[in-house]
Amino acid sequence: SQTIHQWPATLVQPVGSPLSLECTVEGTSNPNLYWYRQAAGRGLQLLFYSIGIGQISSEVPQNLSASRPQDRQFILSSKKLLLSDSGFYLCAWRRSLNEKLFFGSGTQLSVL
Amino acid sequence: AQSVSQHNHHVILSEAASLELGCNYSYGGTVNLFWYVQYPGQHLQLLLKYFSGDPLVKGIKGFEAEFIKSKFSFNLRKPSVQWSDTAEYFCAVNSENTGNQFYFGTGTSLTVIP
Repeated sequence: SQTIHQWPATLVQPVGSPLSLECTVEGTSNPNLYWYRQAAGRGLQLLFYSIGIGQISSEVPQNLSASRPQDRQFILSSKKLLLSDSGFYLCAWRRSLNEKLFFGSGTQLSVL
Repeated sequence: AQSVSQHNHHVILSEAASLELGCNYSYGGTVNLFWYVQYPGQHLQLLLKYFSGDPLVKGIKGFEAEFIKSKFSFNLRKPSVQWSDTAEYFCAVNSENTGNQFYFGTGTSLTVIP
């Protein structure tokens, strides 16, 4: 069976510090991978998605970047965090565009 | 264990039929509730949300949901479905008791037959 792992669950970082959130999927190959953000009072916002290794599409220009160094690994990064980067980050995967989405457990990021 | 439950995994309806998708949660305290939809080949988008106030929430495309606190439920409804409503529907909960983590149900696949 397929599983998705996302860590850490919570993170408190000072403004200007770097960020690295990791997401891995097990039990499948060549998944479509996604990073979403839930900001306070809003719905989920798609940040990045990837249909293959090294293929990243950005939906919203911002202070963040994403990388896919391996088939089942998706990393969300920032060189210098801003206060506005605070929020809940969710990783997700699916086999193809027409199939169901599966979510990780999320990371609550607080930038102070 | 705390969870978000969507009991209907796959629903098939004819056009013009009424829809109700169940969502129950087990988190205590103040909760924010959401319904998301994923149309075939598209990304996830927000249908509606409940934060406070009127427990009957109106969303896009004629959808509505009712928050019943005593039943820990937030069921999604639409009086008359269309073929274009064929999609995957996700219920989600955000609770202060869980450190503001955001939890999704497993989703309900809706197929509307023309």
